[in-house]
Parts: sequence; C-alpha cells; structure tokens
Amino acid sequence: EVQLVESGGGLVKPGGSLRLSCAPSGFVFSSYSFNWVRQAPGKGLEWVSLISTYSVYIKYADPLKGRFTISRDDAKNSLYLQMNNLRAEDTAVYYCVRGGYCTTSNCYSSPWSSFDIWGQGTMVTVSA
Amino acid sequence: EIVMTQSPSTLSVSPGERATLSCRASQSVSSNLAWYQQKPGQPPRLLIYAASTRATGFPARFSATGSGTEFTLTISSLQSEDFAVYYCQQYNNWPRTFGQGTKLEGK
Repeated sequence: EVQLVESGGGLVKPGGSLRLSCAPSGFVFSSYSFNWVRQAPGKGLEWVSLISTYSVYIKYADPLKGRFTISRDDAKNSLYLQMNNLRAEDTAVYYCVRGGYCTTSNCYSSPWSSFDIWGQGTMVTVSA
Repeated sequence: EIVMTQSPSTLSVSPGERATLSCRASQSVSSNLAWYQQKPGQPPRLLIYAASTRATGFPARFSATGSGTEFTLTISSLQSEDFAVYYCQQYNNWPRTFGQGTKLEGK
C-alpha cells in the first residue's frame, strides 16, 4: 500500500525547535519530489516547502525561509522538516505530501506536479 | 504570489443534484491546477490534476474544466459521500497556493 507516515510533532514553547520526519512505503522514495503542507486548526491548506529528487530544487514559502529547512535522505527513505524559532502561528497539522500523479499504467513526479499522496499528518502546537 | 479565490465559500445542495464549484487565479496558471477533497479528520485527497484529469478512485460524476485563470469543478449527481471541503491549488508558480476552500454541505 502506498502511504506516508509523519512523526515528530508535539507541544513546543515559542522559540523552540522540532524536527518532523516522514516515512514512505509502497513506492520508490527516491523517484519522487515531496512537499510539506500545513493546516492550522479549522483553517485552509498552506504549502510550506518542496524538495525535488536529488535535492536539486528546494523551495519554501517566503515567510518561512530561514526558519524551516527541508531535507531528504534517500538511503534512509526519509523526508524531514527542521523547524526553528517556532511561533504560535506555526501551530498546525503538518502533512508530508508526494508530488506526482499516476495514470493507469505509470506514475510520474516533478517539482511541477500536483500532490497525489498525503500522510495523515502530525500536529505541532506552539504554546507557552 | 498567485491568489486563488474559490466561490462560493459554502454550497448547500441536495443529494442527487448538481454542484458547481469555481476557482479563479489572480494570474494565469495554464492547466497546472488541481482539486482536492477533504473530509473531516482526514487529509486532503487528490481529485483532479492538470485542470481536468480525474485522479484514480474518483467516479465519473466528478468533472472539471478550465485553463488560465478560470476553473470549474462539477459533481453531476451528489452522493452523501461527496459532502466535504474542496480546495483548488495552482502548481504553476512558486509559492504553491491553495484556494480558501468550498464547503459542500447537504441541504
């Protein structure tokens, strides 16, 4: 089964740090681009960051540049999001999301792909 | 940043009726437009990509059209399981941006 499982969320004080991880299964991790998308409680979706295959492309939402760092370890089949200097407004469910799409015969991925597989999300709460 | 605007914010429709959801981009996104369905307590699920291609697992009652700045998602005969929040998203420019969502609820 194709799936993504996030971990690493929790309660952190303002100014603190967290490292989220994402573990894929059911497909070849190294062949795909990945994103982090967050959703504050009761709110809409906000794209956070993208990392392409071989880490050629790394992109961030402008307000998060300098505080968040996306990375991947293809040898460990893992995606990460390092979050520093956290603020109350970073409180959200963070989703690990594969960039790609699948037809009946094949799957494709690029930095310019829709988001076809979403994890269940991990909750990050920033509060004193 | 491209702003995605969805309308209406809430749509009340009876089962069996047609629902039409709109999404407008502040500048052209070509056909790099996706629709997602999100039910309570669940992550979003890719519904449409490339503006009009249905993703695996969704029935033919879901269809979508558009290119450039104007896009439409149509559900031809609503079933109870279709009541959810629908988001459009452009993946043509950085940053990737989502619309604010349309909540499709039963009348």
